[in-house]
Amino acid sequence: KFMLTQPHSVSESPGKTVTISCTRSSGSITSNYVQWFQQRPGSTPTTVIYEDKERPSGVPDRFSGSIDFSSNSASLTISGLKTEDEADYYCQSYDDTNQGVFGGGTKLTVL
Amino acid sequence: QVQLVQSGPEVKKPGASVKVSCKASGYTFTRYGFDWVRQAPGQGLEWMGWISAYNGHTAYAPKFQDRLTLTTDTSTSIGYLDLRSLTSDDTAVYYCLRGSGDTVDYWGQGVLVTVSS
Repeated sequence: KFMLTQPHSVSESPGKTVTISCTRSSGSITSNYVQWFQQRPGSTPTTVIYEDKERPSGVPDRFSGSIDFSSNSASLTISGLKTEDEADYYCQSYDDTNQGVFGGGTKLTVL
Repeated sequence: QVQLVQSGPEVKKPGASVKVSCKASGYTFTRYGFDWVRQAPGQGLEWMGWISAYNGHTAYAPKFQDRLTLTTDTSTSIGYLDLRSLTSDDTAVYYCLRGSGDTVDYWGQGVLVTVSS
């Protein structure tokens, strides 16, 4: 089973762009879809990206997902940062036996 | 609109079992399944398992293989998580998610399960 590694924390100023990485330890990042979840303090997580780059309805297009084959990683990019984007972000994927895997989460601070 | 509504909070003693439900609406139940995820206080998200509502196929995280059972009831569009032999380490919020085996999208609101003597 593989691991997904995320930076523990990132910070950026309002209006700027931030990218959070999610690196797969073994197997290809392209083998299985990657999802991204946002969890604000004290709240239920919500999906901001599914199937690598798709946005659920209601998620602003400031959020985008991508896959980088060369680094075997997925990325979540948030542009035009707002204070409301301050949250924990988790990436998630599956292996070929439908076993789910979560990254450890990244705390985004918007200051 | 898609909704997943979970049952209420539970308090259990060590060694007991807990059954959490997740009622789905707003979509064709058997076209998807449920992933179950938990989050211990102050910790990250932990994947527990998945069940297909179409054919009942399951996948369990090895950590829970021996004491977790996931089921669905297509007549009521409800998914169930049954976790046995509870310890204090099982104190967590348990979430159901709509899943298709290779992706997830909607989340239930979560259920706090507290295990305490």
